Amino acid sequence: QQPVQSPQAVILREGEDAVINCSSSKALYSVHWYRQKHGEAPVFLMILLKGGEQKGHEKISASFNEKKQQSSLYLTASQLSYSGTYFCGLTNAGGTSYGKLTFGQGTILTVHP
Amino acid sequence: DVKVTQSSRYLVKRTGEKVFLECVQDMDHENMFWYRQDPGLGLRLIYFSYDVKMKEKGDIPEGYSVSREKKERFSLILESASTNQTSMYLCASSPPMWDRDNEKLFFGSGTQLSVL
Repeated sequence: QQPVQSPQAVILREGEDAVINCSSSKALYSVHWYRQKHGEAPVFLMILLKGGEQKGHEKISASFNEKKQQSSLYLTASQLSYSGTYFCGLTNAGGTSYGKLTFGQGTILTVHP
Repeated sequence: DVKVTQSSRYLVKRTGEKVFLECVQDMDHENMFWYRQDPGLGLRLIYFSYDVKMKEKGDIPEGYSVSREKKERFSLILESASTNQTSMYLCASSPPMWDRDNEKLFFGSGTQLSVL
């Protein structure tokens, strides 16, 4: 079952903060975040693993709440370059995913000057 | 840098035609994937392959097949295209288990397929 992302869309001014949530109906093992700019390929941002280890992007952070079966992506002091569609991808089983992810429906983030 | 190349950016086909979508990666990745992207539905996995001549169904395999004759190439086949297969198709690859980036997907830019 696909994870649910919220909000579906968000509009910001440069310098503002945003939070994107990703919720699963199943227990999580890992959460992967990708960003896709208009007309481009999705690009890996970050992975969070069960147990709290986080790897990824230095200017964007994320949390992994195992109990709530939810991950949140935090974009602080947003820049114009942050605009795009953000996807979370989940694995619900143990072990490495090797890219076999179940993605959410995406959150469209627009940053204005 | 890893490069995943999809042969066509835009494709227009007629209902009932057999359609081939080609994907090539240049980083010797073992794992390759086909996702379909639709507004409001995100990315959904169609098929994936962990090795040459190996394939496994993803979440929405109906109406599709795949071919992996060489490590670098992964083809998606629509045996008889239908209008509900109009979509953006994204190919991706990921490194082998021993690579520190083995959890990352590297995507191509996509093929926008329209079936009329």
